[in-house]
Amino acid sequence: NAGVTQTPKFQVLKTGQSMTLQCAQDMNHNSMYWYRQDPGMGLRLIYYSASEGTTDKGEVPNGYNVSRLNKREFSLRLESAAPSQTSVYFCASLQGSTNQPQHFGDGTRLSIL
Amino acid sequence: SQQGEEDPQALSIQEGENATMNCSYKTSINNLQWYRQNSGRGLVHLILIRSNEREKHSGRLRVTLDTSKKSSSLLITASRAADTASYFCATPASGGSYIPTFGRGTSLIVHP
Repeated sequence: NAGVTQTPKFQVLKTGQSMTLQCAQDMNHNSMYWYRQDPGMGLRLIYYSASEGTTDKGEVPNGYNVSRLNKREFSLRLESAAPSQTSVYFCASLQGSTNQPQHFGDGTRLSIL
Repeated sequence: SQQGEEDPQALSIQEGENATMNCSYKTSINNLQWYRQNSGRGLVHLILIRSNEREKHSGRLRVTLDTSKKSSSLLITASRAADTASYFCATPASGGSYIPTFGRGTSLIVHP
């Protein structure tokens, strides 16, 4: 019963490098989300995908791109990493109704030097 | 923009005591959810309360919702060391879209 799986769990990058964070869910959920969590800031939405084939910007999209590869997978790409993108990144999925809970992965801890 | 805000930011209690944390939000909602986050892990859903409900229970958890004051509270009774975690409320983003937004959370430490 995997739920939401994120890879990798940890990553260290140098400024300017690129990287793709992977997320997959096995619950047949329609909506998927990428958040970042910084100390004292709570979770901030980067991008979301309400359904397969659609993506939309959240609160802090600058410096990121996303791809909803299929219903299961939603990836987050940093094209040119910056130290300000050092954070913990969480992927979540939701069946589609506001009366349903989100399911979260355990996060990717990303450090950019 | 953040819709909900938790209070207090940090709470430290002894095992066996009750823990109460609050959430205030800005615009009308159709439900409010509470999540727990253990250190180094993702968020886990605890309980959902709908706008037409005033109180809901789940085990040692009691959630209240006061839509007139735009606030909710989460009470954990007879706390245990294992309850040590951060707790977040989540509400739909203003505008009614299906985007849950989170506050900064309450960090709860339960001392054995």
